[in-house]
Amino acid sequence: ETGVTQTPRHLVMGMTNKKSLKCEQHLGHNAMYWYKQSAKKPLELMFVYNFKEQTENNSVPSRFSPECPNSSHLFLHLHTLQPEDSALYLCASSQVGGGGYEQYFGPGTRLTVT
Amino acid sequence: AQTVTQSQPEMSVQEAETVTLSCTYDTSESDYYLFWYKQPPSRQMILVIRQEAYKQQNATENRFSVNFQKAAKSFSLKISDSQLGDAAMYFCAYSGSARQLTFGSGTQLTVLP
Repeated sequence: ETGVTQTPRHLVMGMTNKKSLKCEQHLGHNAMYWYKQSAKKPLELMFVYNFKEQTENNSVPSRFSPECPNSSHLFLHLHTLQPEDSALYLCASSQVGGGGYEQYFGPGTRLTVT
Repeated sequence: AQTVTQSQPEMSVQEAETVTLSCTYDTSESDYYLFWYKQPPSRQMILVIRQEAYKQQNATENRFSVNFQKAAKSFSLKISDSQLGDAAMYFCAYSGSARQLTFGSGTQLTVLP
């Protein structure tokens, strides 16, 4: 248990569906991240939020829409996805402003787009 | 941009033996952190150990230790007394001034009974 939870753990959706992934951290951190992990590829950083402000968007398609209502919660809204978006989506949090900025990860959401 | 290279896609070790996983990185920064993460079949990414670049002493966490060679930009992980539960994908990661993690491609470790 890392103090970061993600729901749902598994999600199957059609290309015309709209769904959301949720992440919650109980560590008192002030930064949160979304990563995509596909088979045979390194982890890809998608979005970064520091103090609820988005500071990084690594050329992610607009069909992925992040939302960070407060420093403990992070959402990833999904719409009109493509089959190549099937992957493990990992959320992480860290404390920016002190220490080594190590990130603590949630268990991930396994997304399958049909 | 920083890069992290793990040149061993797969490694295996006999239970109770010692194994070393390699990692090299490229950076022009002098102040940074290095990490090893473990991802078992459950896919939960777990922090194993961290090293601050300004510290010459190698980090140790129980059976896990690192060999940090700053001049050579090398950061290897040694696992002693390997256990079946150590079987996982291991990722080396770098965090510099941008305070974001750059991951290597991973090394799949198999522990043989």
